[in-house]
Amino acid sequence: EAQVTQNPRYLITVTGKKLTVTCSQNMNHEYMSWYRQDPGLGLRQIYYSMNVEVTDKGDVPEGYKVSRKEKRNFPLILESPSPNQTSLYFCASSPGRSSGNTIYFGEGSWLTVV
Amino acid sequence: AQKVTQAQTEISVVEKEDVTLDCVYETRDTTYYLFWYKQPPSGELVFLIRRNSFDEQNEISGRYSWNFQKSTSSFNFTITASQVVDSAVYFCALKGNFNKFYFGSGTKLNVKP
Repeated sequence: EAQVTQNPRYLITVTGKKLTVTCSQNMNHEYMSWYRQDPGLGLRQIYYSMNVEVTDKGDVPEGYKVSRKEKRNFPLILESPSPNQTSLYFCASSPGRSSGNTIYFGEGSWLTVV
Repeated sequence: AQKVTQAQTEISVVEKEDVTLDCVYETRDTTYYLFWYKQPPSGELVFLIRRNSFDEQNEISGRYSWNFQKSTSSFNFTITASQVVDSAVYFCALKGNFNKFYFGSGTKLNVKP
């Protein structure tokens, strides 16, 4: 079954404690990205990756890091989380750069920073 | 600039009423795709429809229908005979070049029994 898997799904953490949200896809997709969802703002792109070792900033990259060492994995790293990073996070993947490709979303990760 | 506007923040209807969710978009791309997603309280994004910019035919799927009008840059979504299970946040999204989505801010639909 085609899947984008995120972990953890729910997390409460404290300010400044580094955390990583993992994302894995089993479809051999080249393109992966991270979005955050906030009330009244919809989803906004944080980072994206066109392929292994190729990553770039989205619209709201501040406070986040990513890496793409393997095609299937695209972890989101919060080096020093702050309360304004409390949000619902989505990982997504698609076969390539064409805009016609279907994008698959993970189930979301609810992150609370206190 | 790419932008999606969902002016209705929240809509409340009584079961069996019809309801239309509005979506207006802006793009300079000649080829683009429009989407609707449903987000139930559990949080996942459920894909509903994808429309490309060259296909202005309206689409009907059961109680759902979509009206795409390039002349007004709108892609509205109508639920006929709404049900309580339709209660969710609905997002309209635009995908132009590459794979980046531009989401609207969402419309929360409350269907009361």
